[in-house]
This record gives sequence, C-alpha cells and structure tokens, in this order.
Amino acid sequence: DAGVIQSPRHEVTEMGQEVTLRCKPISGHDYLFWYRQTMMRGLELLIYFNNNVPIDDSGMPEDRFSAKMPNASFSTLKIQPSEPRDSAVYFCASTPSGNQPQHFGDGTRLSIL
Amino acid sequence: SQQGEEDPQALSIQEGENATMNCSYKTSINNLQWYRQNSGRGLVHLILIRSNEREKHSGRLRVTLDTSKKSSSLLITASRAADTASYFCAPGSADGLTFGKGTHLIIQP
Repeated sequence: DAGVIQSPRHEVTEMGQEVTLRCKPISGHDYLFWYRQTMMRGLELLIYFNNNVPIDDSGMPEDRFSAKMPNASFSTLKIQPSEPRDSAVYFCASTPSGNQPQHFGDGTRLSIL
Repeated sequence: SQQGEEDPQALSIQEGENATMNCSYKTSINNLQWYRQNSGRGLVHLILIRSNEREKHSGRLRVTLDTSKKSSSLLITASRAADTASYFCAPGSADGLTFGKGTHLIIQP
C-alpha cells in the first residue's frame, strides 16, 4: 500500500508568490495533519482534518496560510503571499483515528527567496 | 494537546553501545509514541505505549513509561550506524499528538 504522498518534494520561489503544497493521505485514514518543521521551532502542527472537515487550525501562523481538503484523498496547503520566513519543511501525515500512530510523507522543502 | 520534551538534545555514542533518550510531558495522556526521523525524510512511528503500561519492547527498542513522573524513556540496544537519526516523543491525548524538538542521535562507527 502506498504511503502518504506529498508534492512537490522541493519548491523554490520568490517572495510574494503563491505556493501550493499537495498531499494524498493513505486510503481509509480519516485524519490528515499538516506540520511545519524548522530548526528553531521544531515540528509544529498547523492544522488537522477529520473526515475532510478542518477541526483545529489554531497552529496556522496567519491569514496568508490556508488549507483545504475537498475529498478524502487530497489536501492542499496554500501560502499567499509567501515570505522568506515561511521557508521550512512542510509535512503531511494521516492516521485512521486521532490517537493512533501517524504516517508521514517525506515532506516538501520550501525555500522562499 | 501537549508537547513532549526530549533529553538530551544530542547524543553521540560508539556503534554497539546502548542509547537512552528521555521524554517529559506535562498533563494526562492516553498513550505516548516514539518516532524516528532520518535526514531528509518524514517521521516514522516506532512504538506506542499506553498509559496503563509500564514497559514495552520491540526488537532492539525498549520503552518505559512512568505516569507518576510524567516521563518516558527510549532505549536502543546494540546500536548500529543506521540508528543515526532524530528521535521524537509524542504524548497522546484526546486532542491528538504534539512533538518535541527531538534527540539527535549519532552512532560513531
């Protein structure tokens, strides 16, 4: 069975541009999480969904960030406009239930110049 | 949810030695999970210990949990070069998981 799939693996863009990160969770997993990882702040939870519905977006840094899950097999995280401080590795993870082990994708390494 | 705090932040040992990492957390949990992250990859789940368990084994991994002290430890026995990675604990509650900053483990050949 395929794991969590994220695209792109790397993204380099100039500040002010719109960035869209994509995630395909494992089939049958009802929960999907978006994380951001930096050296300074570690791994931060941005938002998570249950059955495609956003449950907790308190970790989303500001209005420039938005996330959607239009169906059970696809989610996007969008940054508009992007800023250099958004540079980080963004991970998507999924799990069958909220308290069970999470399965992570390999992340998108985002660099905003 | 609550963040686990790993200690030490970094650990370097010789291949074949045992490595011990500790985790502390603040409030009640349902379970506690340990993950490994290799460079450039996502986190991989290693082991889950429930709040009513005290010790759990998986291969060369041994996890303990002391809910009275709100702490856990991960022991890797007979370390190998491939164990070089960052290790994270994640206390689990009804609100889900949060992760600390991890212990970066280096196994010297």
